[in-house]
Amino acid sequence: NAGVTQTPKFRVLKTGQSMTLLCAQDMNHEYMYWYRQDPGMGLRLIHYSVGEGTTAKGEVPDGYNVSRLKKQNFLLGLESAAPSQTSVYFCASSYTGGSTEAFFGQGTRLTVV
Amino acid sequence: AQTVTQSQPEMSVQEAETVTLSCTYDTSESDYYLFWYKQPPSRQMILVIRQEAYKQQNATENRFSVNFQKAAKSFSLKISDSQLGDAAMYFCAYNEGGSEKLVFGKGTKLTVNP
Repeated sequence: NAGVTQTPKFRVLKTGQSMTLLCAQDMNHEYMYWYRQDPGMGLRLIHYSVGEGTTAKGEVPDGYNVSRLKKQNFLLGLESAAPSQTSVYFCASSYTGGSTEAFFGQGTRLTVV
Repeated sequence: AQTVTQSQPEMSVQEAETVTLSCTYDTSESDYYLFWYKQPPSRQMILVIRQEAYKQQNATENRFSVNFQKAAKSFSLKISDSQLGDAAMYFCAYNEGGSEKLVFGKGTKLTVNP
């Protein structure tokens, strides 16, 4: 019973490098989300998707891109990493949107040096 | 924009005692949902309890209950008979009905002392 799986769990990048974080869910959920968590800031929404082929901006989208080519996968890309993107990134999914339970992955700790 | 405020960055409780975590929110909507999520040291967040704004009755899940005061826009979480496994960050979250998004508070770190 995997739920929401994020890869990788840890990563160190140099400034200017690019990378993609993968989120996969096996619950047939329509909605998927990417958040970042910084100390004292709670979780802030980066991008989200309401179904396969759709994406939308959240609260802090700058510097990130996303794609949802398959219903079960939601990719978060950093084209040119900056130290300000050092954070813990969480993926989440839900069946019918924000009013229902969100299921979270275990997070990816990203450090940009 | 809706905001969620958790005024207690840290709280502590003795094992077997009761603790209450505070949350207030700001909204002009009448249809919304409120949540408490727990984030243990393993980092993976899990839902503790969910409240629908139109329901008068406070939600309860075993040792966890809420005090939902709609007029005061307050949504506190009470943990009874605290256990060592309750130690975690707790996040209050708000969803406006029909919206895809959750708005989170900054969290309260709960320590349970043996």
